[in-house]
Amino acid sequence: AQKVTQAQTEISVVEKEDVTLDCVYETRDTTYYLFWYKQPPSGELVFLIRRNSFDEQNEISGRYSWNFQKSTSSFNFTITASQVVDSAVYFCALSERNTGRRALTFGSGTRLQVQP
Amino acid sequence: DTAVSQTPKYLVTQMGNDKSIKCEQNLGHDTMYWYKQDSKKFLKIMFSYNNKELIINETVPNRFSPKSPDKAHLNLHINSLELGDSAVYFCASSLGPGKQETQYFGPGTRLLVL
Repeated sequence: AQKVTQAQTEISVVEKEDVTLDCVYETRDTTYYLFWYKQPPSGELVFLIRRNSFDEQNEISGRYSWNFQKSTSSFNFTITASQVVDSAVYFCALSERNTGRRALTFGSGTRLQVQP
Repeated sequence: DTAVSQTPKYLVTQMGNDKSIKCEQNLGHDTMYWYKQDSKKFLKIMFSYNNKELIINETVPNRFSPKSPDKAHLNLHINSLELGDSAVYFCASSLGPGKQETQYFGPGTRLLVL
């Protein structure tokens, strides 16, 4: 069965520090998709990135970067030069293609607090 | 401009009542979902519809009944509300099987059962 583990429950950093949020997943499907979502204090779920299992290229978008490693079943998220507006709960999620289970399986979330 | 909308945003009600939450998407997506987020922020799938057909029905009490009148709408009706139903309910949509898999979420409905 699929599973997503975010071992860091809460991280607190000071503005301008870099921070990495860890995500480890389990799946038996050969084709799957990994996601990161942000939930700010206002409560909505904001899509950040999708990565397909057949594409291990890392991605950078502004201050955000993602490191996908199939060998360790990890999909980590780094925020460079963190800002107070980055304070939120971040969720890693997985969906599977071949099993037909397209619903997202979420990790338990990592709460990031960025102090000024 | 709103992509996935839900009404109401807040719902406070008494135990035993019946209530509905509505969801609409204007993205032209084929698949819609209901997720529940509990007080510890854990998110779990409840139901999924593809083109008005139920494709996922997780272990959810049968007091919860989804209805999809067309592929742009997915409503959630809850009978005989219990204290444990208090949560945030999120609707989401995606293009559908074999297509781009990203799910976009509505703003959530915060349900409080007293």
